[in-house]
Amino acid sequence: DAGVIQSPRHEVTEMGQEVTLRCKPISGHNSLFWYRQTMMRGLELLIYFNNNVPIDDSGMPEDRFSAKMPNASFSTLKIQPSEPRDSAVYFCASSATAGRNTGELFFGEGSRLTVL
Amino acid sequence: GESVGLHLPTLSVQEGDNSIINCAYSNSASDYFIWYKQESGKGPQFIIDIRSNMDKRQGQRVTVLLNKTVKHLSLQIAATQPGDSAVYFCAEARLTGGGNKLTFGTGTQLKVEL
Repeated sequence: DAGVIQSPRHEVTEMGQEVTLRCKPISGHNSLFWYRQTMMRGLELLIYFNNNVPIDDSGMPEDRFSAKMPNASFSTLKIQPSEPRDSAVYFCASSATAGRNTGELFFGEGSRLTVL
Repeated sequence: GESVGLHLPTLSVQEGDNSIINCAYSNSASDYFIWYKQESGKGPQFIIDIRSNMDKRQGQRVTVLLNKTVKHLSLQIAATQPGDSAVYFCAEARLTGGGNKLTFGTGTQLKVEL
């Protein structure tokens, strides 16, 4: 079975450019999460969706960040304009919560972003 | 200037020994506590979870203990193997009407020495 698929795996861009990260969750999962990992802050939850609806975006750093989930099989995280402090590994994760109470999230391999 | 990052606690164990990784949590209202393993260059991987109304749960080679009195969680790995070398994160989860929101701790680096 395919796991959570993220693209690109690596992105190097210049300050001010727009960055779009993509995620395909595991088929049948109804919750999707975007996390950011840095040495300074560890793993931070940015936003999560349930049944394609944003539930909690309190972790989104500022207006430069936006996330969408147009359908059950695709989500994007966009940064516009990007800044060097956005450099991090961005993880997408999905889970199936219907009828289950569990802490199990399935993470993708991450997108490593470097903003110069 | 020099960047300052999180100083991950490190636990070094000999292959074959048992490992105990500890975690302190702060939110008494958490519904679940979970352990994740992250290998270099990969995403975190679920190991085991425990409901807040339990104090022990066992999996394959792993045991999680929960002490709600002192807000402490531990992960015990039996017969530690080189493949267990990774960063281990504890996480707290609140069950909401719209999914499970996880908050991760800072992590512990486990190094298995041959």
